[in-house]
Amino acid sequence: DIQMTQSPSSLSASVGDRLSISCRAGQSISTYLNWYQQKPGKAPKLLIFGASSLQSGVPSRFSGSGSGTDFTLTITSLQPEDFATYYCQQSYSNRTFGQGTKVEIK
Amino acid sequence: QVQLVQSGAEVKKPGASVKVSCKASGYTFTNNAIHWVRQAPGQRLEWMGWINGGNGNTKYSQKFQGRVTITRDTSTSTAYMELSSLRSEDTAMYYCARNSGSAGTFDPWGQGTLVTVSS
Repeated sequence: DIQMTQSPSSLSASVGDRLSISCRAGQSISTYLNWYQQKPGKAPKLLIFGASSLQSGVPSRFSGSGSGTDFTLTITSLQPEDFATYYCQQSYSNRTFGQGTKVEIK
Repeated sequence: QVQLVQSGAEVKKPGASVKVSCKASGYTFTNNAIHWVRQAPGQRLEWMGWINGGNGNTKYSQKFQGRVTITRDTSTSTAYMELSSLRSEDTAMYYCARNSGSAGTFDPWGQGTLVTVSS
């Protein structure tokens, strides 16, 4: 299985902040990297696919970058509805998820 | 709209089996695979396996190989996940999700089914 490691595991931020979440794969996965947002008691929601493509309907303040083993999710101008847990997922070989990054209100 | 609706919560005793259903609507069921993912309380998402909606081929995570069986019924556009030899550590929310696009993303997801294993 391809291991996926996110950092940090949690962070505190304020409305309007810019933040970045990192995801590292245990081997090269090209751009087969997706990002999901999960709110408490809800199923995850797709944000970014193919490392940098924005899913339809997702605000443009979300962006993704990277290839190979290192990837980043960036949120510019954090909004109240963005406080959630974010997961990266590789779709290069079967599927594996990172451990999640919880974004909390400072 | 594309939708996946899962069966209701289950409570099972250790050693028993559970079968969760996932009914698809809003698209041609045989055109997409369905994945199963679980999430234990406070834990990360864990991929269990998937089924090709068209030919019924399956692939399972090594962790669950031998304990999980994923099937589908094309006449009702429903996928099923059966987990056997349940133990307390299997207490989790179980999700189905549609495989979407060439990037192999999960979109959409079902609402989740809580399985509780307790004596």
